[in-house]
Formats: sequence, C-alpha cells, structure tokens
Amino acid sequence: AQKVTQAQTEISVVEKEDVTLDCVYETRDTTYYLFWYKQPPSGELVFLIRRNSFDEQNEISGRYSWNFQKSTSSFNFTITASQVVDSAVYFCALSVGSGGGADGLTFGKGTHLIIQP
Amino acid sequence: DGGITQSPKYLFRKEGQNVTLSCEQNLNHDAMYWYRQDPGQGLRLIYYSQIVNDFQKGDIAEGYSVSREKKESFPLTVTSAQKNPTAFYLCAGQGAGGYTFGSGTRLTVV
Repeated sequence: AQKVTQAQTEISVVEKEDVTLDCVYETRDTTYYLFWYKQPPSGELVFLIRRNSFDEQNEISGRYSWNFQKSTSSFNFTITASQVVDSAVYFCALSVGSGGGADGLTFGKGTHLIIQP
Repeated sequence: DGGITQSPKYLFRKEGQNVTLSCEQNLNHDAMYWYRQDPGQGLRLIYYSQIVNDFQKGDIAEGYSVSREKKESFPLTVTSAQKNPTAFYLCAGQGAGGYTFGSGTRLTVV
C-alpha cells in the first residue's frame, strides 16, 4: 500500500519569506509519480507539478521549486519570496505504475499555508 | 474548453435520502475517479473506473455507488447507508498529461 505524509498541518509566514512544505512518501513500486496540488478556498485542485520516479532532477518554476530525493523518499516544495496569493492548502500525492497510475492518487493530508501581509 | 464538470456546486440532502452527484468530462479520458475530502483531511478515493462499464472500489466505497455507462459520464450516488455523507466531493479524470479535477460538489445533510 502507498502512503504520503505531510507532517506540517499548518504553516504561517510573513510575506516575502521563503517557505518549504515537506512531503514523505512510501511505496514498494519502482515506477511511480509524485504530484503537488494547490487548493485555494474555492476548493478546486490546481495542478503544480508531476515528477516520475526515474527523474530526480530538481525543478524550478518561477518562485516555486521542488526537491525530489529518492534516498529519503521525499518530495519537498519551496516557495521563494512568498506572496499573499500563495495562501492555500497544498497537497502532495502519489500514483504508482507506468502510465501515470490508473489506480488513482494517494494524497497526504495537506499543509495549510498562511501568508500574512 | 475541455475539462471536468461537476454539478451542482452545493447540494443539500435530508437524512435517509439518496442523492446523485454529476461528473461529466470532454477530455476523452478513459479513467475517472471520485474522491471525498473532509476538513483537515486529504482526499480519499471512493470509486474509480478505468473503462466504460467497469469500475472498482477505492478505500472508502461503503455507502456509495457509481455507474459508467458512457465514457463522458461518471455519476456518484451517495446512499442512505453512508453514515457521514457531509463532505466535499471531487471528480477527476486521468489522461496522458496527468489528472484533471472538477471544481467539486459540497454535500450537506440536513
């Protein structure tokens, strides 16, 4: 069985600070995909990134960056120079198998990020 | 625009009644999913379907039922057997680019 742990229930920082959201996953599959989603108060899930298990390169997209380390089974997400609009709940998720995993996603419980002006 | 459409956005149900949540997609996705979200919880998988006329139970299928008669549609019925149906329900489809989610239905039992 798969498991995703987001140990940080809530994080509060002041605008312009950098913040890192932690994600630790468990799976016995060698082929898997990791995801991050943002959920604003309106409720929809906004896709941020997908990373497959064979690609450990870190990724940067604007103020967002992701650090994937198979050795520690972690896929952490960093927001640089945070802004109030970054306030949301962020979910880390895992799917197994090739083709993105048609058996669905396993989600962590989410981290509520609060950016104070 | 292609996407996953869920309706209604808000739904109220009396205790003991069945209710059906709609999920339609025009992305040509074979696989579709229903998730439930409770406050402070992650999303939990209720049912999923990888192909028309076939579906599998997820982690919390008890008290729910689904059908997949058309590729475009994957409705979820919350039955009276579901003891705590008040929650936020999200439908998703899966294609080559990953998972696409609908905007959700918030169900409240009154």
